[in-house]
Order: sequence, then C-alpha cells, then structure tokens
Amino acid sequence: DAGVTQSPTHLIKTRGQQVTLRCSPKSGHDTVSWYQQALGQGPQFIFQYYEEEERQRGNFPDRFSGHQFPNYSSELNVNALLLGDSALYLCASSSDSYGYTFGSGTRLTVV
Amino acid sequence: AQSVTQLDSQVPVFEEAPVELRCNYSSSVSVYLFWYVQYPNQGLQLLLKYLSGSTLVESINGFEAEFNKSQTSFHLRKPSVHISDTAEYFCAVSRLNDYKLSFGAGTTVTVRA
Repeated sequence: DAGVTQSPTHLIKTRGQQVTLRCSPKSGHDTVSWYQQALGQGPQFIFQYYEEEERQRGNFPDRFSGHQFPNYSSELNVNALLLGDSALYLCASSSDSYGYTFGSGTRLTVV
Repeated sequence: AQSVTQLDSQVPVFEEAPVELRCNYSSSVSVYLFWYVQYPNQGLQLLLKYLSGSTLVESINGFEAEFNKSQTSFHLRKPSVHISDTAEYFCAVSRLNDYKLSFGAGTTVTVRA
C-alpha cells in the first residue's frame, strides 16, 4: 500500500516565480494537510483540505493557495516566490483528526 | 492556541545508553499528543500518540512516552538506544476537534558507538 506520495522531490525556482507542488494521499484517506518546514525548525501548518474545500488555514499569506481534487489528491501553489519560501514542504493525509501520514516532502529552493 | 516546547535542541548519547527527550505544551483545552521521528532527507514518521486512556504509551521499536497532565508534559524515553535511532524527533499537539498539528522545534539525537 503506497503511503503519501509527493512530487517533485526537489525543485529550484527563481524569486518572483510561481510553483505547484503535488500530493497523493494514502489510500482510504480523504483529508490533506500541507506543512512548511524551514531548515532547523519544526513543520508549520499551512492549510488543510477536506471535501475539496479549505477547512482550516494557518498563518500564511494569500500567496499560498491550494486545491483538492475529487480523488482527494491535492496541490499547493505558491505565487511570487521569496527567498524565505525555501523549505521542505510536507503533505500529510488522514481520515480523522489524529491519524496523519506524512509524505517525504518536496525540497523547494528559491534563488 | 497551543504551543509546544522541546527543551533540548541536541542530545548526544552513547549506544545502549538510555535517552529522554523532553516536551512541554501549553493549551487551555484537552489535546492529543504525538511524537514523530524524521530521518535525514525524509518526511515524518509517527512514533507514538496519546489520545486518551493510559498515560503511558509505547511504540513498537522500544520508545515510550508518558502524558503528565499536571505538568503538561509528554516526555519520550528509550532505555537503550541504537545507532539507527540517530534522527530528529518532534513533539506535536493537536486540540480535540482541531485539524492542525502544532510542532516543537525538534530535538536532534545523535547516537555514538
């Protein structure tokens, strides 16, 4: 059983560009959350999607947006990239409030 | 809002020695508590979780954590570590009926022979 799959694994973008990260949840999971993990820090909650709607959002600017598709997969979009957006972006899927499974992440470098 | 404090940023330990990673949280409501492990260049893996019931929870690889409500702590312990336990460990909390995990800054455990 595949767990959470994220793509791409690594990405390099230039300041001001836009990026889209993708996540396929674990089989049986209908909820997808996104986290940003800066170097040397714990993950920070960006937002969660359930039933194709953003259910909860963390303290991130509107440059961060997302989408969930009918098959429960999800995308994270970041516009107008800043150097400070360089981080590991983690996707987590769940079917309840306490059974989160994390993917291996996408390492985004903004230059 | 809840917050999580991991009291040690780095813990060096010799192989077969015991280790304790300290975690304190603050929350005005009941919470779920978690420990995650992150190996280099990988995502997070759940070690163990406390939802309710017995305050002592165990993982399959020898770790255990005890929920102490009065001290708002959820310290992680292992009586004898292996080289393969070298990793970063994160404590996290989630409020009941909330949808996000709030993580501590992490504790880097380095096991030496």
